Amino acid sequence: RKEVEQDPGPFNVPEGATVAFNCTYSNSASQSFFWYRQDCRKEPKLLMSVYSSGNEDGRFTAQLNRASQYISLLIRDSKLSDSATYLCVVNPSNAGNMLTFGGGTRLMVKP
Amino acid sequence: NAGVTQTPKFQVLKTGQSMTLQCAQDMNHNSMYWYRQDPGMGLRLIYYSASEGTTDKGEVPNGYNVSRLNKREFSLRLESAAPSQTSVYFCASSDLWGQRRYEQYFGPGTRLTVT
Repeated sequence: RKEVEQDPGPFNVPEGATVAFNCTYSNSASQSFFWYRQDCRKEPKLLMSVYSSGNEDGRFTAQLNRASQYISLLIRDSKLSDSATYLCVVNPSNAGNMLTFGGGTRLMVKP
Repeated sequence: NAGVTQTPKFQVLKTGQSMTLQCAQDMNHNSMYWYRQDPGMGLRLIYYSASEGTTDKGEVPNGYNVSRLNKREFSLRLESAAPSQTSVYFCASSDLWGQRRYEQYFGPGTRLTVT
């Protein structure tokens, strides 16, 4: 079983739609969680951290469910520029600063 | 402020050839990392250097060596390239301590093909 699992997609949505991605992680002792964004043929960049209480950054909302070991990302009012691959990222508890990356979920927003 | 730079951007090697991928960062970060990214596999850690003078193996270190030349530079060497090492290689850096220690900044990547 992979440590961090994501549906690879692609998710094809029209502009203005709301779309949600989920991710599951296997290490129940993991402490820190993140979403990174990766544009086609580019490097990954941090999108947002995920806090236990849930957090919002503009059109993006991240949630953490420790009991079920999953993380979600909700994007409201999708823009063409949101088209990218979204990487779920976990810092396992005994791994120092190292991160474990999921395989990514591809989002394509169409006009 | 260039962030993280990597050279070369593209490389084609024949099986058995060697090469070194270069990485440098100008953000005064202590920690640096080398990843490879393959379709459907996500990013996998090859080696990392928590601070200058230290290096440790990651998830997939076989066939690679690293050198932390100084605080800015972290190189990855393939001694005898194999087709299984065809991949996109990313270097990254981060703080060692503090709230931003999990925010890794990535270079633009090196696309390596081994024939």
